[in-house]
Amino acid sequence: DAGITQSPRHKVTETGTPVTLRCHQTENHRYMYWYRQDPGHGLRLIHYSYGVKDTDKGEVSDGYSVSRSKTEDFLLTLESATSSQTSVYFCAISTAQETQYFGPGTRLLVL
Amino acid sequence: EDQVTQSPEALRLQEGESSSLNCSYTVSGLRGLFWYRQDPGKGPEFLFTLYSAGEEKEKERLKATLTKKESFLHITAPKPEDSATYLCAVRHDYKLSFGAGTTVTVRA
Repeated sequence: DAGITQSPRHKVTETGTPVTLRCHQTENHRYMYWYRQDPGHGLRLIHYSYGVKDTDKGEVSDGYSVSRSKTEDFLLTLESATSSQTSVYFCAISTAQETQYFGPGTRLLVL
Repeated sequence: EDQVTQSPEALRLQEGESSSLNCSYTVSGLRGLFWYRQDPGKGPEFLFTLYSAGEEKEKERLKATLTKKESFLHITAPKPEDSATYLCAVRHDYKLSFGAGTTVTVRA
């Protein structure tokens, strides 16, 4: 257990509304990641962070932004949610051994 | 661009019927191949990391092997509790590229 929590665990929202998902870790790992998981696509990287205020884009970053103001928290924001962003979102951390451990996920439905 | 392909997409086994899952990859500068297990409604759970061709890792009924182009996850005498989706990923820099997974169902 890498001490990762995600909130909310489930969310239903409407198209065009902003949504923020939170990832919280308790072990001060430097690297944090946001993925989305969709049937047939596996896990795809949205954004990642390599330190406080240091972030970079992944392969599916359009429509998403992130922020990391504290080591323990990594926020994912959908500025204006669309139906194509309906997905399961996973946060992960990377240990010094460079293995990634995942949180329990957030199910997001955009109507 | 890193590519990871897993086969088959789904595998139905009888309890005790051993089988193998395949993960083929193309990546420049492999820095680790990872296997994860994912149960429905949960996050992926780390199983193994392999770094070089010829390396093998074992955990209970699971054994992972690595060649220069692919990895195999062997399930020996599976039990119903081995039912899950198994994900393969390759690491390049500090990022992972995942395959779509193989869903294994083991019937008692």
